[in-house]
Amino acid sequence: EAGVTQSPTHLIKTRGQQATLRCSPISGHTSVYWYQQALGLGLQFLLWYDEGEERNRGNFPPRFSGRQFPNYSSELNVNALELEDSALYLCASSLTGLNPYEQYFGPGTRLTVT
Amino acid sequence: EDQVTQSPEALRLQEGESSSLNCSYTVSGLRGLFWYRQDPGKGPEFLFTLYSAGEEKEKERLKATLTKKESFLHITAPKPEDSATYLCAVQAWRDDKIIFGKGTRLHILP
Repeated sequence: EAGVTQSPTHLIKTRGQQATLRCSPISGHTSVYWYQQALGLGLQFLLWYDEGEERNRGNFPPRFSGRQFPNYSSELNVNALELEDSALYLCASSLTGLNPYEQYFGPGTRLTVT
Repeated sequence: EDQVTQSPEALRLQEGESSSLNCSYTVSGLRGLFWYRQDPGKGPEFLFTLYSAGEEKEKERLKATLTKKESFLHITAPKPEDSATYLCAVQAWRDDKIIFGKGTRLHILP
């Protein structure tokens, strides 16, 4: 069974540009979570999508947004990139209804903002 | 405010030297506590979920335990391939957000 996949593996952007990151969950999983892992800060929760709806959001500015498609894949968009957005962005998926939600992570997208 | 604190930040052990990693948490209404393993440059790998105080789970050389305020990840007779960062996370009933600790970097020397 295929795990969570993310693309691209690496992404280099300049300050002020927009970045789009993509995630495909494990087959049968309906929830997708996005996290930011910056050096020294640990995993910070960004967004949670389930059944196409945004269920929860972490303490990030509105320029971090996303969506979930009918096939449950998801996209994270970061507008007006800032240098401090450089980080590993991780996507995870889970089966909704599992109590509590066990998350399975993808390999991540390394975003570098110059 | 919900919080997760892991200690120590880093731990170096000789192969075969057993030890424990700590995860202290403050959350109003614990829905679940998770342990993950993360290798450098990779996504975290799910290890365990613990639901209530007194619960224990085992996997190979790892055993996770849970009390009302903390969780321990016990590593018995570790091998160099157990070297990784171990992450603890909690989920609250109140808002379903999952909060991660900063992790413990474990290095097992051959």
